[in-house]
Amino acid sequence: EVQLVQSGAEVKKPGESLKISCKGSGYIFSNYWIGWVRQMPGKGLEWMGIIYPGDSDARYSPSFQGQVTFSVDKSIRTAYLQWSGLKASDTAMYYCARPSATFDAFDIWGQGTMVTVSS
Amino acid sequence: SYDLTQPPSVSVSPGQTASITCSGDKLGDKDSCWYQQKPGQSPVLVIYQDTMRPSGIPERFSGSKSGNTATLTISGTQAMDEADYYCQAWDTNTGVFGTGTKVTVL
Repeated sequence: EVQLVQSGAEVKKPGESLKISCKGSGYIFSNYWIGWVRQMPGKGLEWMGIIYPGDSDARYSPSFQGQVTFSVDKSIRTAYLQWSGLKASDTAMYYCARPSATFDAFDIWGQGTMVTVSS
Repeated sequence: SYDLTQPPSVSVSPGQTASITCSGDKLGDKDSCWYQQKPGQSPVLVIYQDTMRPSGIPERFSGSKSGNTATLTISGTQAMDEADYYCQAWDTNTGVFGTGTKVTVL
C-alpha cells in the first residue's frame, strides 16, 4: 500500500526551530515529488511547494520562499519541512502529499501534522 | 500571484445536483483538479485533468471546463458528500489552490 506517514503534533514557542517529517512507503520514493500544504485553523488549503527526492530540486510558492526549508533523506525515504524561527502565525496543520506519476494532482496524502506556536 | 476563485458555499438538497465553479486567469490553458476535505480528515482527490475521476471515486462526481472556469458537479448528492471542496491548478511551476467551497446538504 502506498502511503505517507507524518510525524506527530508539535507545540513550540515563538522563535524556536522545528523540523517535521513525512515518510513514504509502498513506492519508489526517489521517483516522485513530495509537496507540502498548509491549512491554518478554520481556513483553506495553501500550496507551500514541492521537492523531488531524486535530486532535492525544491520549488517554493512565493508566499513561503525564505520562510521554510524543504529537504529529504532518500536513505530513509523521508521528506522534511523545517522552520528556523517559528512565529505564532505558523500555527497550522501541515500536510505532505504525493502527485501521481501520470498526472499533476496529489493522489496520496499524509495524515497531517499539527503545529502549534504559542508563548 | 495567481488566484483561483470559488463560491464560499453551496447548498443542495439530498438527491439534487450541486455545482461548484472555479475561475482563474487562463485556467482554460491549464489542467485543473478537485479535492474533497471532510472535517478532521486529509483532502481526497476526486477529479484530475479537468474531467478524470480516480479509481474509487463515485460516478456522481464529474468535472468539466468552459473557458477559464472549471466546474465540479455532484449528481444525486448524498449526505456523505457534505464537505469542503478545493480546486487546484499549476502556475509557473507552483501549484495554487482555490479559495474553497463548503457544500452543505440540507
